[in-house]
Amino acid sequence: DIQMTQSPSTLSASVGDRVTITCRASQYISSWLAWYQQKPGKAPKLLIYKASSLQSGVPSRFSGGGSGTEFTLTISSLQPDDFATYYCQQYSGDSPGLTFGGGTKVEIK
Amino acid sequence: EVQLLDSGGGLVQPGGSLRLSCAASGFTFTSYAMNWVRQAPGKGLEWVSGISASGGSTYYADSVKGRFTISRDNSNNTVYLHMNSLRAEDTAVYHCAKAKYCTGGVCNFDYWGQGTLVTVSS
Repeated sequence: DIQMTQSPSTLSASVGDRVTITCRASQYISSWLAWYQQKPGKAPKLLIYKASSLQSGVPSRFSGGGSGTEFTLTISSLQPDDFATYYCQQYSGDSPGLTFGGGTKVEIK
Repeated sequence: EVQLLDSGGGLVQPGGSLRLSCAASGFTFTSYAMNWVRQAPGKGLEWVSGISASGGSTYYADSVKGRFTISRDNSNNTVYLHMNSLRAEDTAVYHCAKAKYCTGGVCNFDYWGQGTLVTVSS
């Protein structure tokens, strides 16, 4: 199975900060990567698909980058509504099953 | 508006069975694969199972293979997860999720149900 490693696991930041989360795949997954935001007690929300495509309705301050095995999620200017946990997910059909990263919790500094 | 309504969770003893349901509306159900993803208390997301749009192909995580069965009723826009031989480690909130795009049976998800809690304990 493909393992997904996110870093950092926790990030402390202030409103207005530029924030970057990294996700590394244990093997090549092309651009088959998604990012989700989850708030406590709520379902995950799709932010980015195919590594860099912004899901409809998601603010443009969110952006995704990378390909192959190294990926990033960047929030250009952190807003109060952005304090949440973020997960990456690979969906490469070359390996059975799909896997999520361990999550990155973005906290108020 | 797309809606996914999960139900069927509850408290069950180890070795017991449970059936989860997910009622879908607001999209053409027969055109999309559906999946179940779970989240143990305080933990991350874990994919559990998926089923193709037609129901002809099903997929399972190794952790549930042979114990869980996914199915769908395209006439009633509902997907099910039949869970047998439940273990303490199956305790989690179970979310159904609508596939946005799939490749080789593996998908990403654009809509999620709110989740239903399954607790396995004696």
